[in-house]
Amino acid sequence: QITLKESGPTLVKPTQTLTLTCTFSGFSLSTSGVGVGWIRQPPGKALEWLALIYWDDDKRYSPSLKSRLTITKDTSKNQVVLTMTNMDPVDTATYYCAHRQGDGYNLGYFDYWGQGTLVTVSS
Amino acid sequence: SYELTQPPSVSVSPGQTARITCSGDALPKQYAYWYQQKPGQAPVLVIYKDSERPSGIPERFSGSSSGTTVTLTISGVQAEDEADYYCQSADSSGTNVVFGGGTKLTVL
Repeated sequence: QITLKESGPTLVKPTQTLTLTCTFSGFSLSTSGVGVGWIRQPPGKALEWLALIYWDDDKRYSPSLKSRLTITKDTSKNQVVLTMTNMDPVDTATYYCAHRQGDGYNLGYFDYWGQGTLVTVSS
Repeated sequence: SYELTQPPSVSVSPGQTARITCSGDALPKQYAYWYQQKPGQAPVLVIYKDSERPSGIPERFSGSSSGTTVTLTISGVQAEDEADYYCQSADSSGTNVVFGGGTKLTVL
């Protein structure tokens, strides 16, 4: 059974760096074809894709946020970490991590999601 | 940047058929996926690769594709289907994940 859970601060100040951790079980990020992505959703708004990391450490980022994002993995801990620099109130959102399903390096889709974590950016 | 366009809202009566569209120039080349999201919950995949249904998803959910538009069809809509629905695909280069703006399905 695949499960994912996001953890991190619920409140960050403007200009600070956000670090979120996705801890998962039921699969290994060292298995060929596996990936984990991050998606966020501002209150009352649509989903927005942020980043994706593949089993072989290849990475993809949203073009609009690429300069602020870093995604890494710790296979031994079954964790994926997302950092976002220079946080702003418009970054207030629920942040989700999700298991990516797809063929090879095809971006694919997200078949299992974490419960999400609400991050508020405010001074 | 590439966009997927969905109608903001769709309303149907129980037992009727709901159709939610998603339009994008790259859809003839890229698969589309659909997610259902109920208030306060994470999205749930209901359709993958345009028309495939994951295990556990009721048969009343189906997907289709025609040119630059994909459609999620819910036949015999039930009250529990009231939710937001999002399409997802990739841009023409296949390097960026894109979500549609979402459609709120209201069951009258």
